[in-house]
Amino acid sequence: GAVVSQHPSWVICKSGTSVKIECRSLDFQATTMFWYRQFPKQSLMLMATSNEGSKATYEQGVEKDKFLINHASLTLSTLTVTSAHPEDSSFYICSARDALAVRNTIYFGEGSWLTVV
Amino acid sequence: AQSVTQPDIHITVSEGASLELRCNYSYGATPYLFWYVQSPGQGLQLLLKYFSGDTLVQGIKGFEAEFKRSQSSFNLRKPSVHWSDAAEYFCAVEGRGGGNKLTFGTGTQLKVEL
Repeated sequence: GAVVSQHPSWVICKSGTSVKIECRSLDFQATTMFWYRQFPKQSLMLMATSNEGSKATYEQGVEKDKFLINHASLTLSTLTVTSAHPEDSSFYICSARDALAVRNTIYFGEGSWLTVV
Repeated sequence: AQSVTQPDIHITVSEGASLELRCNYSYGATPYLFWYVQSPGQGLQLLLKYFSGDTLVQGIKGFEAEFKRSQSSFNLRKPSVHWSDAAEYFCAVEGRGGGNKLTFGTGTQLKVEL
């Protein structure tokens, strides 16, 4: 089946630095990718929707200047957490829509753990 | 606004017992419906999905779900649970027509007693 890969799987960064998380669709073209944040034992909260070649659409309450999303190609979207703080520590998951699949199927990555110290 | 309710936060069943996880949705029209499973620290795996047609949907790992329009429900079932089924289960909906975002329920944590 279709595969979505996230990198890194886990990252530790110092407070005040920026960290980038990549989301790649390995065997299909993803015109749309989604970024979620998940706190322990909670559901997924959609942060933003990114469309290839255009600006991301952010959900209400998500700081676009803090969570920079770039979708430069049909197989890659990146999330950059700028000036990270400990409260940004979380599990970040991306998903990608396979526009050519039946019913625009969405596939999820394995997630990335971010710890800000 | 669309919403998804999973009334049970935690469920514990014995291995070999049957399982039913509840999901109710609120949406203007019948949306696309999904069940995902998440193991600790992992991403989400699609168990099954309903778009149209037969209201009883078969999925992977022996799971099935039944769409009931009159009850706005899409409950997940398995006749005999295995210890490896212990995980978090999420119900999700997406507006028809594609291109819309998924809205997730709050999840149900399944524990399996040996």
